[in-house]
Amino acid sequence: GENVEQHPSTLSVQEGDSAVIKCTYSDSASNYFPWYKQELGKRPQLIIDIRSNVGEKKDQRIAVTLNKTAKHFSLHITETQPEDSAVYFCAASESNQGGKLIFGQGTELSVKP
Amino acid sequence: DTAVSQTPKYLVTQMGNDKSIKCEQNLGHDTMYWYKQDSKKFLKIMFSYNNKELIINETVPNRFSPKSPDKAHLNLHINSLELGDSAVYFCASKRRHPQETQYFGPGTRLLVL
Repeated sequence: GENVEQHPSTLSVQEGDSAVIKCTYSDSASNYFPWYKQELGKRPQLIIDIRSNVGEKKDQRIAVTLNKTAKHFSLHITETQPEDSAVYFCAASESNQGGKLIFGQGTELSVKP
Repeated sequence: DTAVSQTPKYLVTQMGNDKSIKCEQNLGHDTMYWYKQDSKKFLKIMFSYNNKELIINETVPNRFSPKSPDKAHLNLHINSLELGDSAVYFCASKRRHPQETQYFGPGTRLLVL
C-alpha cells in the first residue's frame, strides 16, 4: 500500500522567511496530493492541493510542487507570519482506493516574530 | 451551520466500556471517513463509507464497528475499550469524485482510563 514520508518533523523560521516541507510517496498510482494545516486542538484544514496532471500550483503565499518521476511533492510558504505556526500534513490519495488519504507524519512549523 | 459535526467533543471512560461517536455532514457529500490521530499526531484512515456502503476497512480491530444510517451520518461504535484506543477520532466527508477535498469534523477526544 501507499506510504508517505514527510520531512522535517519540526521547522523553526523567523517571521518573513520561507518554509519548505517535503514529502515522498511510494505508490506511483497516487494522483491527488492535498496539504492540511492543523492548529493546536483544531481539525485539519485543507490549505492547498495538487493533482497529478499539474506540476505546480500557487495560492498567494503558498505553493506546492509535484515531481511524479521522483514521487515527491513539496509545500512552500513565503513571507511566513506567526499565524502560520501549526502542524502541516501532506497526504496522497489514489482514485481506485476510495479516495482515502494516506498522511505523512506531520511537520510542526514555528514562526518566531 | 457547521459543515461536518461530531458528538461528543470529549469522551472519558473506563477500560472495558462500550462507547459511540456520531458524525453528521450537511454538505450533501456521498463519502464519509473515520480517521484516528494518535498521541504523536499521526493521522490514519480507519473506515470509509460511500452512500451508506462500507468501502474501506483498514484492518481495524473488530471492536470498532462503523454504521451509516444514511449518507449524511456515519457513527463509530467501540466495544471493550482499551487504553490504546485513547486518541482523537476525526470524521471527514467529500463528494464522490476521488480527487475532491475532504472536510474534517472537529474531532472527538477519547481518553480511556
